[in-house]
Amino acid sequence: ELKVEQNPLFLSMQEGKNYTIYCNYSTTSDRLYWYRQDPGKSLESLFVLLSNGAVKQEGRLMASLDTKARLSTLHITAAVHDLSATYFCAVGSISNFGNEKLTFGTGTRLTIIP
Amino acid sequence: EAQVTQNPRYLITVTGKKLTVTCSQNMNHEYMSWYRQDPGLGLRQIYYSMNVEVTDKGDVPEGYKVSRKEKRNFPLILESPSPNQTSLYFCASSLWGGPRGNQPQHFGDGTRLSIL
Repeated sequence: ELKVEQNPLFLSMQEGKNYTIYCNYSTTSDRLYWYRQDPGKSLESLFVLLSNGAVKQEGRLMASLDTKARLSTLHITAAVHDLSATYFCAVGSISNFGNEKLTFGTGTRLTIIP
Repeated sequence: EAQVTQNPRYLITVTGKKLTVTCSQNMNHEYMSWYRQDPGLGLRQIYYSMNVEVTDKGDVPEGYKVSRKEKRNFPLILESPSPNQTSLYFCASSLWGGPRGNQPQHFGDGTRLSIL
């Protein structure tokens, strides 16, 4: 059974600082997704990572995937208040029927302090 | 506007009273899915559907039913709701869901269910 662990679960950081959120998963997969959720809102897709060594960047966020280590990271550079949200990673696995099943991590609640 | 629409957004009901949460997407997506979100547990997949008349169980299917009679609709049915089904539910869709996939899922705004 695929398990996905995110660390840390809660993160408070000052504006302007850098930090990294980690997503570890237990079985082989080369399909990893990052989502953002604002309080009381739905989930918004941030990144899709589909191969070992994939790196994607959007603004102050950069995501990477190491399939051999079964690890993805979401790096935040020079944090700003607007990045306060809960971030989820999700790992894709293909079922016996050929469908993709997503297993989500528990999320990292990020709070940026002025 | 491309969107996934869920109804109702909020519902308070009692144990045992059958309910249906509707989900509709206007993007001609083949893949649709239901999740529940609970504090400390992240999102857990309930059921998903590859296409019309093709559905499969996710991680927590007990107590739920789904149907996919039309491509755009994927209702979630609770035949006999119980308090442990109190949760925030999300419907999602993507263009494909399989080896041809690699598309992010588009999520609805969520349905908050309270079962008393």
